Amino acid sequence: NAGVTQTPKFQVLKTGQSMTLQCAQDMNHEYMSWYRQDPGMGLRLIHYSVGAGITDQGEVPNGYNVSRSTTEDFPLRLLSAAPSQTSVYFCASSRKGDRNSPLHFGNGTRLTVT
Amino acid sequence: TQLLEQSPQFLSIQEGENLTVYCNSSSVFSSLQWYRQEPGEGPVLLVTVVTGGEVKKLKRLTFQFGDARKDSSLHITAAQPGDTGLYLCAGANYKLSFGAGTTVTVRA
Repeated sequence: NAGVTQTPKFQVLKTGQSMTLQCAQDMNHEYMSWYRQDPGMGLRLIHYSVGAGITDQGEVPNGYNVSRSTTEDFPLRLLSAAPSQTSVYFCASSRKGDRNSPLHFGNGTRLTVT
Repeated sequence: TQLLEQSPQFLSIQEGENLTVYCNSSSVFSSLQWYRQEPGEGPVLLVTVVTGGEVKKLKRLTFQFGDARKDSSLHITAAQPGDTGLYLCAGANYKLSFGAGTTVTVRA
């Protein structure tokens, strides 16, 4: 059972470039989300989805887009990368959409924007 | 400003010593989760506490939820190098909010 799979593991972008971070889960979880992790800031929610075709913004959504065409996949798109988006990005899923459900995290994508 | 404040930020101890990590807030939570994160990996859930005053044990780890459901602590007895990692608490009210974490290093 692979759980939550994120690709790529590392990425370097130049300012203004775009890219998509991939996330897939094989646990048939309804809820999926994207976080960024920065030193001293904890994990901050970017976007989330409670099911296929439904997405919503978290606390730091600017500069990012998401879509949820299938239950399994939840890609995160950076439209025009900025140095402030240098971070480690985590995708997470849970069986239910309620806030008490434990999250299953992928192993992260470390993004550097120069 | 973090909704959840974790202390200390860093903790380095010798193998065999005990340690306590704190997670504090002025908000009330319906539940509180503790995760451990190792370098290059994502956080992994350790425990969820739900009831005020609840104590849960996981081998040498003891988790307590405050009576008012605003704070929590994690106590590790006789720490081992394998306990090294970033410990994160996350409180659930209308959303799930994470603390910034405590980096624990256990020296052999």
